[in-house]
Amino acid sequence: AQTVTQSQPEMSVQEAETVTLSCTYDTSESNYYLFWYKQPPSRQMILVIRQEAYKQQNATENRFSVNFQKAAKSFSLKISDSQLGDTAMYFCAFMNPPGFGNEKLTFGTGTRLTIIP
Amino acid sequence: GAGVSQSPSNKVTEKGKDVELRCDPISGHTALYWYRQSLGQGLEFLIYFQGNSAPDKSGLPSDRFSAERTGGSVSTLTIQRTQQEDSAVYLCASSLWSNQETQYFGPGTRLLVL
Repeated sequence: AQTVTQSQPEMSVQEAETVTLSCTYDTSESNYYLFWYKQPPSRQMILVIRQEAYKQQNATENRFSVNFQKAAKSFSLKISDSQLGDTAMYFCAFMNPPGFGNEKLTFGTGTRLTIIP
Repeated sequence: GAGVSQSPSNKVTEKGKDVELRCDPISGHTALYWYRQSLGQGLEFLIYFQGNSAPDKSGLPSDRFSAERTGGSVSTLTIQRTQQEDSAVYLCASSLWSNQETQYFGPGTRLLVL
């Protein structure tokens, strides 16, 4: 079974600084998908970024980027120029590829990120 | 609709009562997922629908839990004879097809069993 590990339960950073959240996963598959979701106090899970394992290029979305190290099974999220609205729980998630018969998301335990004004 | 909606937003019930939680997926999305988020267990998968059928019910914790989906749209998660350990946030997500990798989540239903 796939597992996802987030080793940083809590982090805090000053506004405008850069922060990196760590995620490692375990799978025997070669093709899969990885995601970062954000969950603010409103409880709504919001997709931040996704990465297809067959793509070597790291995904980026504005201030958010990932460092995907397939051999190391590592998938970290970097938030640049952090803003107060980035304060939230961040979850790393894994999904098998289409047709595998198991399209559920497997989540890590989350990292609570606080941006300090 | 613009996004996934869930109702009620919050539900307080007494131990032993039945509850129904509703999910309206994004219009046109054929795949629908239920997850549970609790302090002790984190985020865990419950059940997945493709259209009206449920190919994967592996996450349902007991036979007190059931779910259905009608018309390929609205889904209802039913918990019978609720227990205190059922207290959690129940999240619903949908995706365009089961083989589309991005799942979009609703705001969840917070269930408290007294």
